[in-house]
Amino acid sequence: AQTVTQSQPEMSVQEAETVTLSCTYDTSESDYYLFWYKQPPSRQMILVIRQEAYKQQNATENRFSVNFQKAAKSFSLKISDSQLGDAAMYFCAYGNNNDMRFGAGTRLTVKP
Amino acid sequence: NAGVTQTPKFRVLKTGQSMTLLCAQDMNHEYMYWYRQDPGMGLRLIHYSVGEGTTAKGEVPDGYNVSRLKKQNFLLGLESAAPSQTSVYFCASSEERFSYNEQFFGPGTRLTVL
Repeated sequence: AQTVTQSQPEMSVQEAETVTLSCTYDTSESDYYLFWYKQPPSRQMILVIRQEAYKQQNATENRFSVNFQKAAKSFSLKISDSQLGDAAMYFCAYGNNNDMRFGAGTRLTVKP
Repeated sequence: NAGVTQTPKFRVLKTGQSMTLLCAQDMNHEYMYWYRQDPGMGLRLIHYSVGEGTTAKGEVPDGYNVSRLKKQNFLLGLESAAPSQTSVYFCASSEERFSYNEQFFGPGTRLTVL
């Protein structure tokens, strides 16, 4: 079965600085997608960024970018110019044709 | 356009009671999902549906049943609630199968089983 591991239960960053959240996964599939979701205190899950496994180019969405290392099965999220509104739980997720797995999450604190 | 809504938002049950959680989406999505979220864990897929009248098991289906009688609604049932089912339940929907597309989530239902 597929597994997703987030080794950092908590991270902290100073406002305007850069932070990287780590994620590793395990799968024997070749076709899959990877996601980072944000869950603020409101509990609403929001998609931050998505990466297709067959694409070598790393996805970017404004201040958010990923470092996708397929051979190493690593999928980290970089948040640049951190803002107070970035404070939330961040979940890494893996999806294939009939399964979706989430990591345990990383709680990000942004210090003013 | 409400997106994905869930009813109720909170519920307390006694062991052995039954209940149904309702999920509704107004985006005409084919795919719908039920997840549970427990402290210190990510979301775990309970059941999902790839279209009206079809359902499939996810990672943790035991103790739950689902139905998709209408495209816009996905019901999650607990026939005989157990304390282990205390959790926050999230419904989601997507235009395509979950591996390809963003899932849109509801606000969650906090269920406590005493």
